[in-house]
Parts: sequence; structure tokens; C-alpha cells
Amino acid sequence: AQKITQTQPGMFVQEKEAVTLDCTYDTSDPSYGLFWYKQPSSGEMIFLIYQGSYDQQNATEGRYSLNFQKARKSANLVISASQLGDSAMYFCAMRGPNRDDKIIFGKGTRLHILP
Amino acid sequence: ETGVTQTPRHLVMGMTNKKSLKCEQHLGHNAMYWYKQSAKKPLELMFVYNFKEQTENNSVPSRFSPECPNSSHLFLHLHTLQPEDSALYLCASSQEAGVRNQPQHFGDGTRLSIL
Repeated sequence: AQKITQTQPGMFVQEKEAVTLDCTYDTSDPSYGLFWYKQPSSGEMIFLIYQGSYDQQNATEGRYSLNFQKARKSANLVISASQLGDSAMYFCAMRGPNRDDKIIFGKGTRLHILP
Repeated sequence: ETGVTQTPRHLVMGMTNKKSLKCEQHLGHNAMYWYKQSAKKPLELMFVYNFKEQTENNSVPSRFSPECPNSSHLFLHLHTLQPEDSALYLCASSQEAGVRNQPQHFGDGTRLSIL
């Protein structure tokens, strides 16, 4: 069975500092995809970044990068130069290779950026 | 205009009422999803539609009835709900269901309160 674990329920970070949000996963499939979503207080889930299990390089999207350590089954999200608008819930998610595989989500980490 | 639009944003209803949640996507996607997000619980997938056909019903009680008249519209019909059904209901879409590397794009959600 697949599982996503986010061990940090909440984090406080000073504005302009880099942030690392932890995510570990468990799967027996060699092929899978990993996603990070941001959910502001307004409720919308915003797709941030994707990493495929066979991708050779860590994914990057602007200030977001994914620190993918396959052997450790770790897919941490790194936000560089944090901004006040980064305050939100962040969810790590995973999907397996089969057509009927569902995306499963972690419980999330609430990030607070301090001015 | 956002890619996925949900109405209403907020809904308060009694346990004997009948109401419907609406979701519309403007992304040209072929798959649509309903999720339930309760406090302190991971996001729960409820239903999946792929090319207008329901492909997933994640053991959802029959008091929730989905309808997908076309690939752009998705409804969730509600009747005789229970207090524990109070939650944020999120709609999402993707190009096609079951493809590993395709992210889902979410709406802002409908916050439902059952009195």
C-alpha cells in the first residue's frame, strides 16, 4: 500500500529565509509520481511541482524545488527566499503507475512566514 | 477566470434539505474529481469521472450523488446529510484520469456546514 507522511504539522519561518517542508513516502512500485500542492486560507489547492520517480534531476519551478532522494523515499519541498504570501498549508501527494491508482495526500504542513 | 470554478463557495443546510454543488472546468480536461477535506484529516477522494464515465466511487454513502453531464461540468447532489458531512468539498480536473504525471487542478472548494 502507498503512504505519504508529513511529520511537520506546523512551521514558523522568517521572511526571506529558505524553507524545507518534509515528505516521506512508501510504495513498492518502482514507477510513481510525486506532487506538492499549496492551499491558502481561501481553500483552493494550487499545484506547485511534480517529480517522476525516473527523473534524473530534481524538479524546479521558480522558487520551488524538490529535493528528491529516492533511496530514502524522501521528496522534500524547498522554497527559496520565502515571502509572506507563502503562508499556507502544503500537501505532498503521490500516485502510482497503474491506471486505477489514486493520488494519495499527506496530512499537510501549515507554514507561517513571519515579517 | 480561474480554471476550475465551484459554486457556491459556502453552503449551510439542514439535515433534511436537498442541495447541489456545482463544478465547472475551463481547461479542456477529460477527468473530474470530487474530494472531501475534513479538519485534521487527509484529503479524501470521493468520485472520479473520466470522459463522463464514473470510474471511481470510494465507498461514498448514497446521500452523496454525483452527476457528470459532460467533461466540463460536475455536480454533487446532497440529501439527508449528517453533521459529520460538514467539510470543504473540492472539485478537481486533469487531462485524463489514471495518468501518472498529470497534476490535478483544483477549484476553491465549497465549505459545507450541516446544521
